Amino acid sequence: DVVMTQSPLSLPVTLGQSASISCRSSQSLVYDDGNTYLTWFQQRPGQSPRRLLYKVSSRESGVPGRFSGSGSGTDFTLRISRVEAEDVGIYYCMQGTQWPPTFGQGTKVEIK
Amino acid sequence: EVQLVESGGVVVQPGGSLRLSCAASGFIFDDFAMHWVRQSPGKGLEWVSLISWHGGDTDYADSVKGRFTISRDNRKNSLYLQMDRLRAEDTALYYCAKDISSAAVAIDYWGQGTLVIVSS
Repeated sequence: DVVMTQSPLSLPVTLGQSASISCRSSQSLVYDDGNTYLTWFQQRPGQSPRRLLYKVSSRESGVPGRFSGSGSGTDFTLRISRVEAEDVGIYYCMQGTQWPPTFGQGTKVEIK
Repeated sequence: EVQLVESGGVVVQPGGSLRLSCAASGFIFDDFAMHWVRQSPGKGLEWVSLISWHGGDTDYADSVKGRFTISRDNRKNSLYLQMDRLRAEDTALYYCAKDISSAAVAIDYWGQGTLVIVSS
C-alpha cells in the first residue's frame, strides 16, 4: 500500500500567520489519465471531514482562497495563508491514484 | 445539497454482527461509486470498502476482507455495510462517503458518521 507521510503532526500557529503542511507518498500519484488524485480534507473538532482541495490544487467550491495546494509526483503541500480561528482542526491528505486509497496520519492545527 | 446520513451503529459483542446503512440524497445516487471509511477513537482515517455505481464491483481493506460486505440499493438511494465476526479493533466511527471520479478514487462528500463499539 502507498504510505502517506504528513509533517508536522502538530502545528501551532499564530492568528494571521501562514501555515504549511507537507504530505509525501511512497509512490508516484500520477494516474494513467495524467491526473494526480491527491485530496486534502479538513476535519474540524466534532465534525466529519470536508474536502478542501482535489487533484492537488483545485479548490472546492466555498473554500476560502487562503487555502492552496501544490506539488507533484510524491511531494505535496497544503498552505494556509493568514490562519483564522475557524481553521483549527486536523488536516488529512488522501491519495486515490494507487489501490487501495490511503490517508496521511493527519496534522493538528491549533492556535498558539 | 448532497446529504449522506448513516445509521445502525450500536454496541455489539465481539464475534457479533451489525448492518450499517447510509441514506443518500441531493445527487443522482446511481451515477457514483460509494465508500465506507472509518475512524477509530482519537485516530486517523482508514478506508474500508468501495462499491461501484452499479454494485457489481466491490473491494475491501485487508483488515475487513472476508468479514464485511458492502452493498447498495439504487432504487432506495441507500448504501449498506454488513459487518460480521466483529472484533474490538473494528470499534470506530463509520463514515459513508461519495466518490466523484469514474477513474481513480476521489471522495468529495462525507456523512456525519455512525459509531460502532465492539465490546463485551
